[in-house]
Amino acid sequence: QVLLQESGPGRVKPSETLSLTCAVSGGSISSHYWHWIRQPPGKGLEWIGDVYYSGRSNTNPSLQGRVTISPDTSKNQFSLRLISVTAADTAVYYCARQVDHDPFDIWGRGTMVIVSS
Amino acid sequence: DIVMTQSPDSLAVSLGERATINCKSSQSILYRPNNVNYLAWYQQRPGQPPELLISEASTRKSGVPDRFNGSGSGTDFSLTISSLRAEDVAVYFCQQCRFTPYTFGQGTKLEIK
Repeated sequence: QVLLQESGPGRVKPSETLSLTCAVSGGSISSHYWHWIRQPPGKGLEWIGDVYYSGRSNTNPSLQGRVTISPDTSKNQFSLRLISVTAADTAVYYCARQVDHDPFDIWGRGTMVIVSS
Repeated sequence: DIVMTQSPDSLAVSLGERATINCKSSQSILYRPNNVNYLAWYQQRPGQPPELLISEASTRKSGVPDRFNGSGSGTDFSLTISSLRAEDVAVYFCQQCRFTPYTFGQGTKLEIK
């Protein structure tokens, strides 16, 4: 059974960098696509981007080049880095798996990140 | 970007009755070479991550009860719960995975009347 677990600081100061990690257990990241999605409190879902184990990634243009998503095959995990955060980046951040063109079949439990000084 | 619009925003249905949620995409998400609509439905209970219910517009994920049915093609899709149960109270999202950036509907909150 593949499980995903997000980790990272729960609070980040405005203008600083948000860094999260998604640990994958029960399966290898050296296949499929791995995604980050976020959900502001009480709101809908926003796709942030994805990465393949080779390092090839796609990110949402709405985030204006602030996002980097990277794999770490040695630790079987992948990471999210979001620079220059503002209060609008406050959200629950989820990682998820995608097989081929299928939708996201496995999600982490999510981690809440609050941007506040 | 493809805009996904759900209706209604909220819905109250009596136990045992039918619930229908609609989802419209701003452009077709049908991939003609394989005739697949890359449309998914998710269920999100309070405090939980979304759970995949249906992929390719109408294929239930293994273990999803058969009271959940998806239909539609091109730009217009629906999720129907044939006989509502208390555990179906949740927010439901549609998502297109045909084009990046992948986009979601705004969500439909389903409650018991």
